[in-house]
Amino acid sequence: GQNIDQPTEMTATEGAIVQINCTYQTSGFNGLFWYQQHAGEAPTFLSYNVLDGLEEKGRFSSFLSRSKGYSYLLLKELQMKDSASYLCAVVDSNYQLIWGAGTKLIIKP
Amino acid sequence: GAVVSQHPSRVICKSGTSVKIECRSLDFQATTMFWYRQFPKQSLMLMATSNEGSKATYEQGVEKDKFLINHASLTLSTLTVTSAHPEDSSFYICSARLRETEAFFGQGTRLTVV
Repeated sequence: GQNIDQPTEMTATEGAIVQINCTYQTSGFNGLFWYQQHAGEAPTFLSYNVLDGLEEKGRFSSFLSRSKGYSYLLLKELQMKDSASYLCAVVDSNYQLIWGAGTKLIIKP
Repeated sequence: GAVVSQHPSRVICKSGTSVKIECRSLDFQATTMFWYRQFPKQSLMLMATSNEGSKATYEQGVEKDKFLINHASLTLSTLTVTSAHPEDSSFYICSARLRETEAFFGQGTRLTVV
């Protein structure tokens, strides 16, 4: 079966760095998305990785290792507004999105 | 980024009535749009994939006669919840694919059936 694993919840301190991991087992791989979702709102696109390596976008970076079925989202200089759920989603061989359950990130002052 | 507009953002309807939700890609053409449902504290659940000019592809367990999807143009897809029941109360989100690399979400519609 297809499976995406993310931690359910993480807590971090304002100004710190946090890494949210995502491991996947899917039928084929055509890319991996990270989305941010604030409570009660629709997800917002953060990043897309299809090749191995690190993609940096301001305070957010995303890393992919296809051989390990592993990705992480790195958030630097955490702000209170970063408190949200972070969703990992993999595009499988049929170009369907397989969603993880999301990681709820709690930022403390 | 590209803009996807979903309307209405909130709707309350009586049990037994039908509700239509619109999803528009404002500044790009989307041959493929996706409809998701999200229950509280749960991940997004894909309901169906909508391709312009053809019938939608529904995920297993989703009643196609209850959740009618129409993708009449490259910028508009609609989801109609027919004969709504309280258990249909949920957060419905559409997504429009711009390229293989990006899909943009609408704002979501919170449906409450009373």
